[in-house]
Amino acid sequence: QQQVKQSPQSLIVQKGGISIINCAYENTAFDYFPWYQQFPGKGPALLIAIRPDVSEKKEGRFTISFNKSAKQFSLHIMDSQPGDSATYFCAASGRGGSTLGRLYFGRGTQLTVWP
Amino acid sequence: SAVISQKPSRDICQRGTSLTIQCQVDSQVTMMFWYRQQPGQSLTLIATANQGSEATYESGFVIDKFPISRPNLTFSTLTVSNMSPEDSSIYLCSVVTGKYYGYTFGSGTRLTVV
Repeated sequence: QQQVKQSPQSLIVQKGGISIINCAYENTAFDYFPWYQQFPGKGPALLIAIRPDVSEKKEGRFTISFNKSAKQFSLHIMDSQPGDSATYFCAASGRGGSTLGRLYFGRGTQLTVWP
Repeated sequence: SAVISQKPSRDICQRGTSLTIQCQVDSQVTMMFWYRQQPGQSLTLIATANQGSEATYESGFVIDKFPISRPNLTFSTLTVSNMSPEDSSIYLCSVVTGKYYGYTFGSGTRLTVV
């Protein structure tokens, strides 16, 4: 069972455009929602993360929007650049029970930004 | 955040052999995790390795195939045993640091079994 559902699987955006990747979850025990960026041949690197006590977090061109009631969160990349071309994974983790300390990953979105 | 050194970065192995992957962290951490990332796929948790106790394996992964050691709070190894081409993947270790579950990943070991 996929605990975190991510869409789209692939995304092509023109330079300067906005990239939007969406994720949804079911487990209400989740309380930490990070996004990872992965370049070919590299391990995932933490991009930005949010906790459910806020609805939005912005770091530079990257913004997470969080909707607790809908159990959805999304990554927005403003002014997308060719250097942003990578695979993006959303994930979730929690503090209790089977969610304690482990990350549940979405399937990933391959983003291509055309110059 | 923690810095993880993972070795080897890549290897090509013959089927039926075993490979041990090392993960060294620059600070003491309680929880360490081993993930597998098959080509073009997401990350799947293999096991959680806590110092002083047996590793906890996820469904579909067994100790005989993926034995794990965690001798201290800064080091862990994962062995991929009796390899087959289906084991060709990237293997990653991860640690949790900080008060708010800051997760850090190693750069991964790209394994090809021929």
